[in-house]
Amino acid sequence: NAGVTQTPKFQVLKTGQSMTLQCAQDMNHEYMSWYRQDPGMGLRLIHYSVGAGITDQGEVPNGYNVSRSTTEDFPLRLLSAAPSQTSVYFCASTMGEGNAYEQYFGPGTRLTVT
Amino acid sequence: SQQGEEDPQALSIQEGENATMNCSYKTSINNLQWYRQNSGRGLVHLILIRSNEREKHSGRLRVTLDTSKKSSSLLITASRAADTASYFCGAGTASKLTFGTGTRLQVTL
Repeated sequence: NAGVTQTPKFQVLKTGQSMTLQCAQDMNHEYMSWYRQDPGMGLRLIHYSVGAGITDQGEVPNGYNVSRSTTEDFPLRLLSAAPSQTSVYFCASTMGEGNAYEQYFGPGTRLTVT
Repeated sequence: SQQGEEDPQALSIQEGENATMNCSYKTSINNLQWYRQNSGRGLVHLILIRSNEREKHSGRLRVTLDTSKKSSSLLITASRAADTASYFCGAGTASKLTFGTGTRLQVTL
């Protein structure tokens, strides 16, 4: 299994540009999530999905859209990039449910918006 | 808002010493998890402790949970240089896990 994969690894955007961060998992996990990590801020949840066709907002959803058409893929879209979106983005999928689960993280995408 | 908050923010010890880091959380939980992050990488799951457990061991890791104080601690015994990383506690549900700001552990030779 490749686990959770993310592309690209690095990206530089100009303010106002749009792009999609790709995330895929091959473990057949129902739950997937997107986080952003800023220095000294820990990880903050952007959006999450509990299954194909179902998404919901996390702590910091503004400026981001998601969709989940398949179990495997969970892309994150930036519609009009802003410098405040400069961050490292992590995608995760969750194994298990109820009272026993763990998240598997991708390697991250480092995004700079100028 | 973030569910877990780790303490201290940074910790520097010598190889062979024990490292203890703490986590406080805000609301009732079903379980609490600890993750490690090496520089530039994603988080890696270390250990999960359920709300009805008080202590759990895994190799050199020992986790305690005090639900009355809404706090947990992670002890790494006989630390190694390879343990240098940031450590995060996570709390929430399977679909919505939130993390604190982490403890940066530096283990020197």
